[in-house]
Amino acid sequence: ETGVTQSPTHLIKTRGQQVTLRCSSQSGHNTVSWYQQALGQGPQFIFQYYREEENGRGNFPPRFSGLQFPNYSSELNVNALELDDSALYLCASSLVRAEDTQYFGPGTRLTVL
Amino acid sequence: DAKTTQPNSMESNEEEPVHLPCNHSTISGTDYIHWYRQLPSQGPEYVIHGLTSNVNNRMASLAIAEDRKSSTLILHRATLRDAAVYYCILSFIQGAQKLVFGQGTRLTINP
Repeated sequence: ETGVTQSPTHLIKTRGQQVTLRCSSQSGHNTVSWYQQALGQGPQFIFQYYREEENGRGNFPPRFSGLQFPNYSSELNVNALELDDSALYLCASSLVRAEDTQYFGPGTRLTVL
Repeated sequence: DAKTTQPNSMESNEEEPVHLPCNHSTISGTDYIHWYRQLPSQGPEYVIHGLTSNVNNRMASLAIAEDRKSSTLILHRATLRDAAVYYCILSFIQGAQKLVFGQGTRLTINP
């Protein structure tokens, strides 16, 4: 069974640029959630995709967008990067019920200069 | 969103039991209590979850108060590898399955 993988591991961008982060979900899971974790803070929910549709969103602006593909892998896109977007971006795969475990990837460390 | 309250930090000794408390006074009847932990430079790792009854697995035990307003994660014999930030989270469905993380408890294990 393959776990959740994310790419790239690290990324450096400048303010105003756009970035795409990728996530491969665990086998058998149809749901992917994305989280932003600033230094010293707990992860914050960005949004969740279930069977290729966004089915929930946290308090993040529209410049944070995503996609889920038929194989349930996912992308997170961030436009017009700001310095405060510097963070660890985590994806987690799961099934979709409240009792289901979310399995997290190692994250992508994004630095915006 | 439902919130949890945990101590910022705790310290224990190797091979001793550790009890990590969590308050969730605003929990609703369908919220599950999940615990995750995060080691440095890694994504969060699932530890255990429950709804109403106490739960045990190979990693830990979860004791849930009868009124469900608090819970305690129990590590029966701490090792150095248990040093991590532990998050107590209420999991609920609001469109999506949302995990609302707080600040967590930073657990230090002394050799």
